[in-house]
Amino acid sequence: ETGVTQSPTHLIKTRGQQVTLRCSSQSGHNTVSWYQQALGQGPQFIFQYYREEENGRGNFPPRFSGLQFPNYSSELNVNALELDDSALYLCASSSSVLRGEKLFFGSGTQLSVL
Amino acid sequence: SQQGEEDPQALSIQEGENATMNCSYKTSINNLQWYRQNSGRGLVHLILIRSNEREKHSGRLRVTLDTSKKSSSLLITASRAADTASYFCATDKGTGGSEKLVFGKGMKLTVNP
Repeated sequence: ETGVTQSPTHLIKTRGQQVTLRCSSQSGHNTVSWYQQALGQGPQFIFQYYREEENGRGNFPPRFSGLQFPNYSSELNVNALELDDSALYLCASSSSVLRGEKLFFGSGTQLSVL
Repeated sequence: SQQGEEDPQALSIQEGENATMNCSYKTSINNLQWYRQNSGRGLVHLILIRSNEREKHSGRLRVTLDTSKKSSSLLITASRAADTASYFCATDKGTGGSEKLVFGKGMKLTVNP
């Protein structure tokens, strides 16, 4: 167990709806990264938050947005859901933004968009 | 975009045998990490090797890195049924840019008891 918790574990939404996923980082970690993992694929980087500021973003549209709170927990928000947004969403925390830091992953939120 | 590419994509072996997985990548890197994922759950960090290292060991794991060939291999010795999982290599490009760790598509290892 990594100490990174995500909620909810499963979620079913319909196209066009909005969703908020939550993540509590491991104690002492100030950096949170979000990844999207489609079935049979590797995780794709969405964005990273460090000390409540976005610190890098992957190739995802603006309808994917995030927040990090003073306690370093984080939210991922997705607006105007599309069928292709169905995936496992993984949150990972690390102790810094320095290169070479290993990531500690939560168990993920499985999102299904119908 | 996915930089790493694991090979083979699937491997089935008997308990006690060794398993070797290969990872190739396209651009220069600062370090390369291997992760394991059980049944679509969270990933677990296994080992990190830096660009100036050639080989690293951790328990039953041995990782090699050849930066001239842009490839890495992960060897699991004396495999156990509990090693059944998907394995991913992840690269840190180390050249700036907004992407952090970039994961490959993964390799599914099945260890039969």
